[in-house]
Amino acid sequence: NAGVTQTPKFQVLKTGQSMTLQCAQDMNHEYMSWYRQDPGMGLRLIHYSVGAGITDQGEVPNGYNVSRSTTEDFPLRLLSAAPSQTSVYFCASSYWPPSSGANVLTFGAGSRLTVL
Amino acid sequence: AQTVTQSQPEMSVQEAETVTLSCTYDTSESDYYLFWYKQPPSRQMILVIRQEAYKQQNATENRFSVNFQKAAKSFSLKISDSQLGDAAMYFCAYRSDQGAQKLVFGQGTRLTINP
Repeated sequence: NAGVTQTPKFQVLKTGQSMTLQCAQDMNHEYMSWYRQDPGMGLRLIHYSVGAGITDQGEVPNGYNVSRSTTEDFPLRLLSAAPSQTSVYFCASSYWPPSSGANVLTFGAGSRLTVL
Repeated sequence: AQTVTQSQPEMSVQEAETVTLSCTYDTSESDYYLFWYKQPPSRQMILVIRQEAYKQQNATENRFSVNFQKAAKSFSLKISDSQLGDAAMYFCAYRSDQGAQKLVFGQGTRLTINP
């Protein structure tokens, strides 16, 4: 059981380049989300999805695009990378809707992105 | 909007001793969930313990327990018999009972275990 798989684990980009962070889960979770982690700020929600074809913005969505064409995958796209997007990115998933309210997010291992 | 504050950027404890990490939060909601996550150097986010706000009893998981004070909006984590493997960043997180599963995280506390 792979859980939540993120690729790549590390990436270096130049300002203005585009790239996609991949996230896949094999737990049949309807809910998927992306967070970014910056020093001294904890994790902040970028975008989330409650099912295929449904996405919504989180706390810090600017500069990022998402789509959800399948239940398993939730890619995060940076169309024109900026140094401010240097961060560690986490994908997380869970069942939806939460049946007992205590559904817990399963996190991927993270992707470290550096924008020069 | 909800906020979560961890006022201790760093803590240290001797192996086998007890340490308490602090967390306060701000919300106008009555039903919500609180979590403590551990992040070791591997970066993996690991759930340590969770608390439902409607439960008065404090959650316990082996050596980990919480002191949940709803009126004071305080949610501290106590680690007993600290072990070297407990060394990590610890994040407190809040989640509303309504809407999507949006976690609001605190800034984190780096815990060092001294042998």
